[in-house]
Order: sequence, then C-alpha cells, then structure tokens
Amino acid sequence: AQSVTQLGSHVSVSEGALVLLRCNYSSSVPPYLFWYVQYPNQGLQLLLKYTSAATLVKGINGFEAEFKKSETSFHLTKPSAHMSDAAEYFCAVRINTGGFKTIFGAGTRLFVKA
Amino acid sequence: SAVISQKPSRDICQRGTSLTIQCQVDSQVTMMFWYRQQPGQSLTLIATANQGSEATYESGFVIDKFPISRPNLTFSTLTVSNMSPEDSSIYLCSVYPGTGNTEAFFGQGTRLTVV
Repeated sequence: AQSVTQLGSHVSVSEGALVLLRCNYSSSVPPYLFWYVQYPNQGLQLLLKYTSAATLVKGINGFEAEFKKSETSFHLTKPSAHMSDAAEYFCAVRINTGGFKTIFGAGTRLFVKA
Repeated sequence: SAVISQKPSRDICQRGTSLTIQCQVDSQVTMMFWYRQQPGQSLTLIATANQGSEATYESGFVIDKFPISRPNLTFSTLTVSNMSPEDSSIYLCSVYPGTGNTEAFFGQGTRLTVV
C-alpha cells in the first residue's frame, strides 16, 4: 500500500539556517508526492508537488524538494529559514488505485528561533 | 484551482447532538473527500463522496456516525452524529478540480468543539 512517513514530529532551526524536513514514501508504482503547509489556525496550502517530471521540484516561499527513487525519499528543504516559516508541514501521496485519494504523513512542526 | 467554501467555519456543540457541515465548490468535480484532523494530529480521510452513489468510507469510519450527502457535482455535506468530546476536530472538505490537476485542494475547514 502507498504511504508516507515523516521523520521527526518536531524540527527546530535558527533563523537563516537550512531547513530539512524528511519524508519517505512507500509505493509500488511511481507516486504523486506533495508537501503541504498549515499555518496556525489556517487551512492547507500546497507548497510543491512531484508528478514524475523533474526530480528537483521548486515550490513557493523558497522551498524545494528532490525525488530520489533509490532512497524512496522526498525531503523538503529551504536554504535559509525565516520566522514566517514556522508552521506544520505535511508530506502526502496520491493513491491512484480504485479511484484516487491523498494520504498524509503524520506531519512535522517547524520551529524557527530568532 | 478551486474555491471551496465550508460552513460553518466553527461551532461548539453539546454532546449527543449532531452537526451538518456543508461544502460548496465553485466548479463541478467528480469526487469530493472529507477529512478529519484531530487536535495536534495529521489529516485522516473519512470518506470519498461521489455524486449519485453512496459514499465510500475508510477503515474506522461508518455511515451511521458520519452520514454524507452528495446531491450534485458542486456540493456535499458531512454530518457528525451523536457527538462526543472525542469528535472535537477540524473537518475538511477536499476536491481534485478539473482534468489536469494532480493535487488536492482544501477548504478552510470546520473547527468543531464538543462539550
């Protein structure tokens, strides 16, 4: 079955430091993978998506993710953290069997220290 | 993309009562999805709602507790029945709009507190 696993429920970085949020997927077929962000008391916003085109995907707010088939990973990175990046980040996979639906990882809360 | 409106945005309900949440989309979509996000947790899919047929529920969710209607291609409702404090969550509606969209779009959610 297709699923995603996010490593680390909480990540804390200093402002200006590299952000790395880890996501590994499990899929027997090429997956569609996504990163969503949820700011406090707000809805979900799509950061970026992988749909079997370029393996390095650039998203909004300076985030990017690299699809690595050999490692079954889709880690999210940002070179320099900003205070406004503090939020909950969800990795997700779209399952395309029997219709389709999106399944979410457990989420990683990002804290940014001044 | 799609604009998804959910009503109500939040509510406080007494245990034992029921609440119906509405989801309106600005375009016709084949499938609509309902998710639950419990406090501090990730999103869990409750069910998939197709127009003209019964909803398909995920493991752990049943129709008697979460009845869903899908009267047309732009609207759906989710009812949370016989509520208990454990039902306190954010409930989100989601769609895949158009034929070329690969990602799910979400409404702002309904924040439910059961007291």
